[in-house]
Amino acid sequence: NAGVMQNPRHLVRRRGQEARLRCSPMKGHSHVYWYRQLPEEGLKFMVYLQKENIIDESGMPKERFSAEFPKEGPSILRIQQVVRGDSAAYFCASSPSLDSTPDFGPGTRLTVL
Amino acid sequence: GESVGLHLPTLSVQEGDNSIINCAYSNSASDYFIWYKQESGKGPQFIIDIRSNMDKRQGQRVTVLLNKTVKHLSLQIAATQPGDSAVYFCAETRNSGYSTLTFGKGTMLLVSP
Repeated sequence: NAGVMQNPRHLVRRRGQEARLRCSPMKGHSHVYWYRQLPEEGLKFMVYLQKENIIDESGMPKERFSAEFPKEGPSILRIQQVVRGDSAAYFCASSPSLDSTPDFGPGTRLTVL
Repeated sequence: GESVGLHLPTLSVQEGDNSIINCAYSNSASDYFIWYKQESGKGPQFIIDIRSNMDKRQGQRVTVLLNKTVKHLSLQIAATQPGDSAVYFCAETRNSGYSTLTFGKGTMLLVSP
């Protein structure tokens, strides 16, 4: 059983471009979480989704950031008009239920030039 | 000890020593705690967890201690090995809700052979 998959692993964007980060949860997992990690910081919660629903987006910046988890396909974290402060590692985690410990993916490292 | 600026607290030990990593958590309402290990370039990996109705839990080579009075958590690693070198994070949550998982800043463990 493959673990949580994230791609790309590394993404470089220029200021003003869009970044799309993909997360394929583990088989059988319908709960997806996105976290952001700044250098030498702990992970900060961004958003929690179930299939086709955003359950909790209290950690998402109000502008430029959006997330989805469609019925088919991976979860997508989208950052529009990226700025240098968006440079970070973005981790996705998935679990089969709300009371199960989530498994983390390897992360996508976004660099904004 | 406490970090200064942006540098992670670092614990350096010799192979075979016992390691103790400490964490002060912030929310007295938190009732579930997890220790994660993060190796360079990888996502966080679950190590051990503990609920607030316990003060100690043991795993293989690891022990977590919880002191709710002073809101303190510690991770003890017995017979530390070079493969244990990583950044260790504590995380807390209320009602076992993973959308409210709050991570600490992390401690880097360096194990010398």
